[in-house]
Amino acid sequence: QSALTQPPSASGSPGQSVTISCTGTSSDVGAYNYVSWFQLHPGRAPKLIIYEVTKRPSGVPDRFSGSRSGNTASLTVSGLQAEDEADYFCSSYANRNNLRFVFGTGTKVTVL
Amino acid sequence: EVQLVESGGGLVQRGGSLRLSCAASGFSFSTYSMNWVRQAPGKGLEWVSYISSSSSAMYYADSVKGRFTISRDDAKNSLYLQMNSLRAEDTAIYYCVREGFSGYDFWGQGTLVTVSS
Repeated sequence: QSALTQPPSASGSPGQSVTISCTGTSSDVGAYNYVSWFQLHPGRAPKLIIYEVTKRPSGVPDRFSGSRSGNTASLTVSGLQAEDEADYFCSSYANRNNLRFVFGTGTKVTVL
Repeated sequence: EVQLVESGGGLVQRGGSLRLSCAASGFSFSTYSMNWVRQAPGKGLEWVSYISSSSSAMYYADSVKGRFTISRDDAKNSLYLQMNSLRAEDTAIYYCVREGFSGYDFWGQGTLVTVSS
């Protein structure tokens, strides 16, 4: 499975902002409006925080925002809080062979 | 409230078998496609298998093709993954994942599969 590229780590102090990139190709991230972001805390169910590039599910704080430029999607977490420390993965519709969605490599966000 | 609860994980010897189950509640299970996604220790997420609503289509990652079988029982609101010929590299947390119109939207907490060599 060809993974989307994310930086392995990102960090910021409480109250600051952090932006995570998710780089794909013109066949996935750049082609479809089906880019999602997930937050993973150890021992908990992964949580959808952004879908369709920019949309937030009900209950997700507006501190989380998504965007895209070309083949790169981004997740910005503003006003960092301690509970934002987690792993973040992006995903994009790809529809190649039997692979419908492809995941990013994952980014560990640390709140300093 | 949407809930997905996996079970069936555990320790198994290389070459052995396990059957994972996922009990769904809080939504109309039969109308959604479902997936299994795994995360090996210290690694990223890997899609494993997909099954459409009504079981008309099933897909597998190359890494598990021929060894794993996905199925569902809509009457029991349940998703399954039969895993045979298990390898050390199948060691991972296995997540049951609902696929909505825009992509994966709800995940279970996962069940840990450990394959010993």
